Amino acid sequence: QSALTQPASVSGSPGQSITISCTGTSSGLGTHYVISWYRHHPGEAPQLLIYEYNKRPSGVSSRFSGSRSGHTASLTISGLQAEDEADYYCCSYAGSNVIFGGGTKLAVL
Amino acid sequence: QVQLVQSGAEVKKPGSSVKVSCKVSGGTFSSDGISWVRQAPGQGLEWMCEIIPMFGTSSYAQKFQGRVTVTADESTTTAYMDLSSLTSDDTAVYYCARRDDVLGLDVWGQGTTVTVSS
Repeated sequence: QSALTQPASVSGSPGQSITISCTGTSSGLGTHYVISWYRHHPGEAPQLLIYEYNKRPSGVSSRFSGSRSGHTASLTISGLQAEDEADYYCCSYAGSNVIFGGGTKLAVL
Repeated sequence: QVQLVQSGAEVKKPGSSVKVSCKVSGGTFSSDGISWVRQAPGQGLEWMCEIIPMFGTSSYAQKFQGRVTVTADESTTTAYMDLSSLTSDDTAVYYCARRDDVLGLDVWGQGTTVTVSS
């Protein structure tokens, strides 16, 4: 079974851009895997930010963008805001199976 | 607009079971998948299981096989997650989420806190 590896933490200043990576191991991010990204504030429900690697659901700010290169998917947040301080998770779907990355804590300094 | 509303917090004894409900309004309950995801204190999100009510099919993460059962009642558009043989490691916030064919887990419930303590 694939695992998804994310950095434990990243940080940035308001207005800056940051990128969070998500690297697939084993069979990894093959052609049959699809990656989504979620933002999770403690005590709240996770929010879908990106689906199918680089698509934004209706209502999600254009400050959030996704990409993929080989076995690594990435989430970029531009124009950092205080409200972006949260945990971020990549998520892979392979048929009925769902796998979350370990999560990345974003600090906005 | 799809909304998922979960049952309230639970406190359980080790060895017992807990059943959490997830009432779905709006959307197409029967054809959408309903997944269950949990987050233990200090840990990340962990997918547990999923059911597609229309087909009556369910899938489970290997870690929870044999200990979790997911069901759905189409008449009340409510999904249920039943976790047995509870230990302190099952103390967590449990979320239900709708799985859209394109968007993935796009709408989430508010979460249900389950505390396992003697």
